[in-house]
Amino acid sequence: DQQVKQNSPSLSVQEGRISILNCDYTNSMFDYFLWYKKYPAEGPTFLISISSIKDKNEDGRFTVFLNKSAKHLSLHIVPSQPGDSAVYFCAASDRIQGAQKLVFGQGTRLTINP
Amino acid sequence: NAGVTQTPKFQVLKTGQSMTLQCAQDMNHNSMYWYRQDPGMGLRLIYYSASEGTTDKGEVPNGYNVSRLNKREFSLRLESAAPSQTSVYFCASSDSGGRNIQYFGAGTRLSVL
Repeated sequence: DQQVKQNSPSLSVQEGRISILNCDYTNSMFDYFLWYKKYPAEGPTFLISISSIKDKNEDGRFTVFLNKSAKHLSLHIVPSQPGDSAVYFCAASDRIQGAQKLVFGQGTRLTINP
Repeated sequence: NAGVTQTPKFQVLKTGQSMTLQCAQDMNHNSMYWYRQDPGMGLRLIYYSASEGTTDKGEVPNGYNVSRLNKREFSLRLESAAPSQTSVYFCASSDSGGRNIQYFGAGTRLSVL
């Protein structure tokens, strides 16, 4: 059973428009949610996170929204730029004994078209 | 300013061979992790080490062993490689504070024939 799901394998958006990436989870004990961005042949890089006690976090062009009742989070990128083309992973954090176990979604490949 | 360094970057093994993937971090982080990424499945946790001297199983530990050599280094060993272990392996580290951010290496692409 997949605890974190990204149901859209790919998304194509025009440059300058808004990109919205979605993520659903099943475990209400997750304490943090994170978005990572991954380019080919590189490791994932941290983008933005949100605590389970918040419903919105904003950092420049990136905003993450958390709807705990629906167990849903989304990443908004405004405006979208060609350099945003990458695979985006949603991850949920379960802290155990000082370590942080991340559960990842399958990823969404975002393509920004000029 | 290296962050998390993984070696090797690529490796091809024959079924039954063994190898060790190396990982080192220079951020003085307490916790380290090994993941594998397969197509369409995201990243899955193999093993983690909450602090020097401790290791624990993650979601997919079968066929792997780990060693937390010191605070900086965390290695992953495949004793008898199988084709099902063909994957991209990522090492990550994090501090024990509240930011919950893991920092990843560039990955090791492993093929088992």
